[in-house]
Amino acid sequence: DVKVTQSSRYLVKRTGEKVFLECVQDMDHENMFWYRQDPGLGLRLIYFSYDVKMKEKGDIPEGYSVSREKKERFSLILESASTNQTSMYLCASSSNTGGGETQYFGPGTRLLVL
Amino acid sequence: RKEVEQDPGPFNVPEGATVAFNCTYSNSASQSFFWYRQDCRKEPKLLMSVYSSGNEDGRFTAQLNRASQYISLLIRDSKLSDSATYLCVVNLLPTSGTYKYIFGTGTRLKVLA
Repeated sequence: DVKVTQSSRYLVKRTGEKVFLECVQDMDHENMFWYRQDPGLGLRLIYFSYDVKMKEKGDIPEGYSVSREKKERFSLILESASTNQTSMYLCASSSNTGGGETQYFGPGTRLLVL
Repeated sequence: RKEVEQDPGPFNVPEGATVAFNCTYSNSASQSFFWYRQDCRKEPKLLMSVYSSGNEDGRFTAQLNRASQYISLLIRDSKLSDSATYLCVVNLLPTSGTYKYIFGTGTRLKVLA
């Protein structure tokens, strides 16, 4: 079974803090993704990576950065957290065999920025 | 126009009923299609992929209509445990060479006893 884990299920931070969200997958997937999910807006792509040290901006990258130093790990960084970054953050991974592969999600991190 | 559109619902149906959801997509270059299920406060999980010829998995049937650019999900003999949000996902190949997944906002289903 594919397993995607995220470092925290719930996180409370203060405005201006630097926040690190970690994601690890154990299926040797090439692609990894960070989304945020908000009521009425669905899942929105923040950043994705299709290889180690590679990253691409998604639809809403402002205020975020990412790091992929190892294939299994993809980190999302909020440089200076703001209240509008309060959200559910979901990490996902997928393989690259033939394209259009299923995404597997981690359990999510609920971040509250005060 | 949104790239992937779904009726948010909720669809309230009695146990045993048949219910169908549609999802429309705007990009004719879309390559792959999926239905995901998301329970309250949990992550999305793949329910089924949608193939051009249509496919069935137990009580669930998915269909794709490329000409009209929509996909559908039919649930027969609804169970209480089917209550969830169903997300339509479309996959297209952008210029960067990496597949991009576009999610609908989901359709909420409540199966009532």
